[in-house]
Amino acid sequence: NAGVTQTPKFQVLKTGQSMTLQCAQDMNHNSMYWYRQDPGMGLRLIYYSASEGTTDKGEVPNGYNVSRLNKREFSLRLESAAPSQTSVYFCARGAWETQYFGPGTRLLVL
Amino acid sequence: KNQVEQSPQSLIILEGKNCTLQCNYTVSPFSNLRWYKQDTGRGPVSLTIMTFSENTKSNGRYTATLDADTKQSSLHITASQLSDSASYICVVSRGTGNQFYFGTGTSLTVIP
Repeated sequence: NAGVTQTPKFQVLKTGQSMTLQCAQDMNHNSMYWYRQDPGMGLRLIYYSASEGTTDKGEVPNGYNVSRLNKREFSLRLESAAPSQTSVYFCARGAWETQYFGPGTRLLVL
Repeated sequence: KNQVEQSPQSLIILEGKNCTLQCNYTVSPFSNLRWYKQDTGRGPVSLTIMTFSENTKSNGRYTATLDADTKQSSLHITASQLSDSASYICVVSRGTGNQFYFGTGTSLTVIP
């Protein structure tokens, strides 16, 4: 898993429900990322964190919030899930030279 | 507009044959280009990373080329194996920040 763990692996939500996707790394990298991957589209950056306590918006941040309370963990929260957020979510750690991706969380919003 | 386009969208080849995947980009200023392999149901795994000054880089049976003048890259797979069946994603990073542009990938299927 490239030193990145994600939980849960699968989740089904009803529209309007909230949930938090968890991500943890074991390699002490400063940078962490959240992406979503949809059929026919490239990975799109939702949020990233360049260091502990800092976060920045990516390409598609609407409907999401993130938290980087410590260097190891970077969580993604959906406050009120919508069907358009049905996707596979990948967390990654890394820096300029390369990124290491977790196994993904498959989310279905009904 | 910063974009990364890959071709072909999908490819089927016989085991043991070679193939070449293409990546064209318009990202500027260019920082580096990476090729990832993504197996079904898994996260992407880095194959190679190339900077502006690098023309060729190999990783086993995978060889990536970069032409920074024409903004093109290719990934050549030699003597394909069934385990090469996956999606191959080209990613270009811009400037010095966390700006990464992903292609939609080429889906490769290797058949016996």
